[in-house]
Amino acid sequence: EAGVTQFPSHSVIEKGQTVTLRCDPISGHDNLYWYRRVMGKEIKFLLHFVKESKQDESGMPNNRFLAERTGGTYSTLKVQPAELEDSGVYFCASSLYRGGSEKLFFGSGTQLSVL
Amino acid sequence: AQSVTQLDSHVSVSEGTPVLLRCNYSSSYSPSLFWYVQHPNKGLQLLLKYTSAATLVKGINGFEAEFKKSETSFHLTKPSAHMSDAAEYFCVVRTGGGNKLTFGTGTQLKVEL
Repeated sequence: EAGVTQFPSHSVIEKGQTVTLRCDPISGHDNLYWYRRVMGKEIKFLLHFVKESKQDESGMPNNRFLAERTGGTYSTLKVQPAELEDSGVYFCASSLYRGGSEKLFFGSGTQLSVL
Repeated sequence: AQSVTQLDSHVSVSEGTPVLLRCNYSSSYSPSLFWYVQHPNKGLQLLLKYTSAATLVKGINGFEAEFKKSETSFHLTKPSAHMSDAAEYFCVVRTGGGNKLTFGTGTQLKVEL
C-alpha cells in the first residue's frame, strides 16, 4: 500500500515568489492534515480537511497561505508571496477516521527554503 | 490547554545501553499521548500511543512508555539501544477534535558504538 506522498521533497525559492506544495494521501483517507516545522522549532498544526471541506484551519499563519483539496483527493498548499519566515518543513498526514485512537500516517515532508 | 514538554533536546547513549527520553504533559483531563519518531529523510512514524486502556504501553522496535498521572509524565524507554534507533523523537498530545496534535520540541537521540 502506498503511503502519504509529498511533492516536491525540496524547494528553494526567492522571497516574493510563489510555491505550491502537493500532498497525496493514502487512498480512501478522508482526513488530511497539514503541519509544519519552522527553523527547528516544534511541529505545528496548520489545518485539517475532511474530504474537500476545511474542518479546522485555526493553525494557518496568515492569508498568504491557501490550502485546497478539490475533489477530496490530493491537497495543495500554496504560499504567495513567500517570506523568509516561511522556511521550514511542511508535513502532510492522513487518516481514515476522525479522532479516537485513529493513527495518522505522515509523509516525509517538503523542505522549503525561502532566500 | 494541553501541551507536552520534552526535557532533553539531545540524548546520547552507547549501543546496548538503556534509552530514556523524557516527556511531561499538561492536561486538564485524561490525555491521548503519543510518541513519534523521524529518521533522516523519512516521514514521522508512530511508535506508540496511550489512550487510557493501560498505563504501560508497548510500541514498535522494543520501545515502551509509561503513563504516570501523579508525575504527569510519559517517558519513552528501551532496554537496549541499537544503532538504528538514532533519530529524532517527538512526544505528542492530541488537542481538540479529530487528529489535531500538539508536538513537543523533539529529542535527538544519538547512539554511539
